Amino acid sequence: NAGVMQNPRHLVRRRGQEARLRCSPMKGHSHVYWYRQLPEEGLKFMVYLQKENIIDESGMPKERFSAEFPKEGPSILRIQQVVRGDSAAYFCASSPEFIYNEQFFGPGTRLTVL
Amino acid sequence: QKEVEQNSGPLSVPEGAIASLNCTYSDRGSQSFFWYRQYSGKSPELIMFIYSNGDKEDGRFTAQLNKASQYVSLLIRDSQPSDSATYLCAVQHGSSNTGKLIFGQGTTLQVKP
Repeated sequence: NAGVMQNPRHLVRRRGQEARLRCSPMKGHSHVYWYRQLPEEGLKFMVYLQKENIIDESGMPKERFSAEFPKEGPSILRIQQVVRGDSAAYFCASSPEFIYNEQFFGPGTRLTVL
Repeated sequence: QKEVEQNSGPLSVPEGAIASLNCTYSDRGSQSFFWYRQYSGKSPELIMFIYSNGDKEDGRFTAQLNKASQYVSLLIRDSQPSDSATYLCAVQHGSSNTGKLIFGQGTTLQVKP
């Protein structure tokens, strides 16, 4: 009975490289949320996706960040041309529905940009 | 004004005492309220959720909601050293068609043996 899975757990990138973070929701969950936690800061919403649809990307930076949740396979958060300020913990959460939803978090990917 | 506010703490209580964690929110359209526990270096873990005014109890935990005062609290009875963590209050807006959660900064709880 696997929970939310994320990989990699730790990712090191040099400035200018691309980072790809993957998230597989819990079985039976069709809603995926990405959150970012900067050092010494709270969790901030980034994007909400369902299969093949971006529902709400109001928390996504306008440039370099994109997300997808294809029909088959995990959800992917992509960060192009990473900068040091992108260093953070990126958490994925899933829920079975969005009304009165309970979101369950994965272990996170800790991104370090050198 | 922050959308969800929590006292950052640390809140220090002796083992066996009741820990009281508080949270206020600004959007009156908020409908769902969640408490998460986060150990250092780990991911948030859902402890409680509450949708209706009043109290909701689950084991040693009690969540309290007062929508008129825009106030949510979490009580932890018989606090244990293993309860030492950061507790995050999260609010879901009911007026939008998105389930995104707005988190407070978290309150650090220290339970001393």
